[in-house]
Amino acid sequence: QVQLQESGPGLVKPSGTLSLTCAVSGDSISSDYWWSWVRQPPGRGLEWIGEIHQIGTINYNPSLKSRVTISVDKSKNQFSLHLSSLISADTAVYFCARQIFRSGWGPSFEFWGQGTLVTVS
Amino acid sequence: DIQMTQSPSSLSASVGDRVTITCRASQSISRYLNWYRQKPGKAPELLIYAASSLQSGVPSRFSGSGSGTDFSLIISSLQPEDFATYYCQQSYNTPRTFGQGTKLEIK
Repeated sequence: QVQLQESGPGLVKPSGTLSLTCAVSGDSISSDYWWSWVRQPPGRGLEWIGEIHQIGTINYNPSLKSRVTISVDKSKNQFSLHLSSLISADTAVYFCARQIFRSGWGPSFEFWGQGTLVTVS
Repeated sequence: DIQMTQSPSSLSASVGDRVTITCRASQSISRYLNWYRQKPGKAPELLIYAASSLQSGVPSRFSGSGSGTDFSLIISSLQPEDFATYYCQQSYNTPRTFGQGTKLEIK
């Protein structure tokens, strides 16, 4: 069974950089999936941040593109999120997830980490 | 960006009830539509993909329908664990976008 686990600081300062890691177990990060980040501000809905494929293709949400970087570390079987120039509106639970592409039907978020709360203050 | 609008935003129902949640896309997305259930304090769970395909392990009381811009999630007989928030999500293109959520509460 695939498991994803987010890790990183729970409190970061305004104007600083958020750095999170998602450790993947039960699967290889080099498998044919898209590895994604999604966030959820307290009491609010879900916002897609971006996704990466192990071949190197990356897609970012245009609303965050100037501040976000997603990367893969194949040696550690994990992927990472960096979000810079933080403001209070970046306070959220950050989830990592694996997307599966089913032929002809687009991707869906099949497996999720438990999420980690990051507070900007 | 494709905007996803769910209705209602909240809904009260009882165990055993049949409920329908709708989702409308701001442009045609064919059948590139997924549904998720999120219990409080937990990650979302995939219920339905490609508008009407049941994810492995998901109970058959969940079903989905629709294409183009209008979609529905139907729960045929509510169980206690179904009182949660439901989200639709389009997978037609990036940025991937979600509906604002429908909170299903016990009457």
